Amino acid sequence: DAGITQSPRYKITETGRQVTLMCHQTWSHSYMFWYRQDLGHGLRLIYYSAAADITDKGEVPDGYVVSRSKTENFPLTLESATRSQTSVYFCASSRASYNEQFFGPGTRLTVL
Amino acid sequence: DQQVKQNSPSLSVQEGRISILNCDYTNSMFDYFLWYKKYPAEGPTFLISISSIKDKNEDGRFTVFLNKSAKHLSLHIVPSQPGDSAVYFCAAKGPGGKLIFGQGTELSVKP
Repeated sequence: DAGITQSPRYKITETGRQVTLMCHQTWSHSYMFWYRQDLGHGLRLIYYSAAADITDKGEVPDGYVVSRSKTENFPLTLESATRSQTSVYFCASSRASYNEQFFGPGTRLTVL
Repeated sequence: DQQVKQNSPSLSVQEGRISILNCDYTNSMFDYFLWYKKYPAEGPTFLISISSIKDKNEDGRFTVFLNKSAKHLSLHIVPSQPGDSAVYFCAAKGPGGKLIFGQGTELSVKP
């Protein structure tokens, strides 16, 4: 299906475990983004990518790792999950930096 | 330090009346502003935007106003409908194209 998808939609893990959230878009958009949504903070940018093999930090990158070997995929990895990383994570994409961003449905992550 | 602020966490409006959602920002370098709408268990969807060279942009029932001197923007929804009930985020685009979002305002439109 066309669009932007995220998997899994829900994930429960334990402190210290490694977790990878997947994001896939079919529009061949150059830019992709990862945000987390927390009450009282809105959406905060974790990492973004301008193209394959080009990534950069956002506002809250600590504890996260990203990669972008293919234009359509932008996985987000929590190398050692902490409770403070319990959140809803959104992936987004856009054609260019000045275009509107299109968001995926989100992944609700709970770290116990 | 919150560069984009939505000071009202929630707003309740009667169906058919006007909804006004407010947003303040601190960085005068922001040159583009957007409003996103979010339903529960879904990702945000783009609603309307405005460039800093304009002071108003209209799209159907939705109008965004920008007051650069006050660093303030607002979203007007007229008339409000129950289907407009959602969380609304304002966002500002700064250098590098990164979006900075406000905390969101939950709008409830009552029949």
